[in-house]
Amino acid sequence: EAGVVQSPRYKIIEKKQPVAFWCNPISGHNTLYWYRQNLGQGPELLIRYENEEAVDDSQLPKDRFSAERLKGVDSTLKIQPAELGDSAVYLCASSSWTGEAGAQEADTQYFGPGTRLTVL
Amino acid sequence: GIQVEQSPPDLILQEGANSTLRCNFSDSVNNLQWFHQNPWGQLINLFYIPSGTKQNGRLSATTVATERYSLLYISSSQTTDSGVYFCAVTEYGNKLVFGAGTILRVKS
Repeated sequence: EAGVVQSPRYKIIEKKQPVAFWCNPISGHNTLYWYRQNLGQGPELLIRYENEEAVDDSQLPKDRFSAERLKGVDSTLKIQPAELGDSAVYLCASSSWTGEAGAQEADTQYFGPGTRLTVL
Repeated sequence: GIQVEQSPPDLILQEGANSTLRCNFSDSVNNLQWFHQNPWGQLINLFYIPSGTKQNGRLSATTVATERYSLLYISSSQTTDSGVYFCAVTEYGNKLVFGAGTILRVKS
């Protein structure tokens, strides 16, 4: 079974330029997450999708970040314009979480390899 | 929000040694996962363990939910065990909150 796929793996851009990241979750996983990991820290959630609906985007800087998950499968995260402080690794994860009590292993989140963004 | 603290922050081991990593969390949780982030940045699932004990080869984990901590045991460490170990718990809606990680270096 294929894991979570992300592209590109690396991206270097000048500040004020736009950038987009793509994620394909594990087949059958209804829930998709975007996390940002700054150097030396653990990942932090940016946005969570259940199918095509963004159910938690409270940590997404909406002035410059946007995301979409058309048809409830692939997802794209965009930054426009990028700032120096956006340099980080952007991680996508997926799970088959249903919100039901005792769902147990379905809650497990699986992560992609990430996109390392450098803003110059 | 929920706080997750991991200790120690850094650990250097000689190959073959054993180690214990600790994760403390500030509130009750529905989900707790341990991850290994390898030198290439990939987060690898180790355990889904909101309570109880699990073992997988040289690794095992125990979560005592009532006392709000989890332990990850690594036995007979190998150089390939090097990397960062993260504990993460759910706050709500399956949002994972990560600790700062433990950096493990295993020397041959």
